[in-house]
Amino acid sequence: GAGVSQSPSNKVTEKGKDVELRCDPISGHTALYWYRQRLGQGLEFLIYFQGNSAPDKSGLPSDRFSAERTGESVSTLTIQRTQQEDSAVYLCASSLGRQGADTQYFGPGTRLTVL
Amino acid sequence: GESVGLHLPTLSVQEGDNSIINCAYSNSASDYFIWYKQESGKGPQFIIDIRSNMDKRQGQRVTVLLNKTVKHLSLQIAATQPGDSAVYFCAENRGNDMRFGAGTRLTVKP
Repeated sequence: GAGVSQSPSNKVTEKGKDVELRCDPISGHTALYWYRQRLGQGLEFLIYFQGNSAPDKSGLPSDRFSAERTGESVSTLTIQRTQQEDSAVYLCASSLGRQGADTQYFGPGTRLTVL
Repeated sequence: GESVGLHLPTLSVQEGDNSIINCAYSNSASDYFIWYKQESGKGPQFIIDIRSNMDKRQGQRVTVLLNKTVKHLSLQIAATQPGDSAVYFCAENRGNDMRFGAGTRLTVKP
């Protein structure tokens, strides 16, 4: 595809439910990132996948958050037992994974609203 | 991970004026930097990048300046236009990955 795609674009859920967000990176990009962006705030790093290496999960805010990526393709971010403070836009980005000069390309994001 | 849960600083400029957006980075070993622009309702988009072996790089209406001594990065936008209104993020390359600053909201007044 031409760019990073994410689905759904909007998700409204009830507190306590689980949600799954999907990211399709640019073909050939080995690196994939998830970020959270609360309204009017900056980007909060969540997790980083690079090829077949163990992911960097240092940004995940709690054990309710998890993410998977199969090879160098689709990634899913799962939030279990959602809370109202999880409401945010979740952005996915991918890059070639080159060390030292690696531009990230972002998807449009998924806007999550927890009622 | 980094905490960027602060409300964004804002910069308001008159249309036609030049804008300067600043960013302080944290890792003296960072060797590659990018500025991103994020318009309302969209994901961040690449504007311009610079490597640490340079101190200035120019694009179309934009210039990035890098001061490694004080770990400071700036983005200059010439003849700011209403379409430049957005949030601007700097990002630094940290080894295997990029990390973002908190962002600055630029508002252009007609």
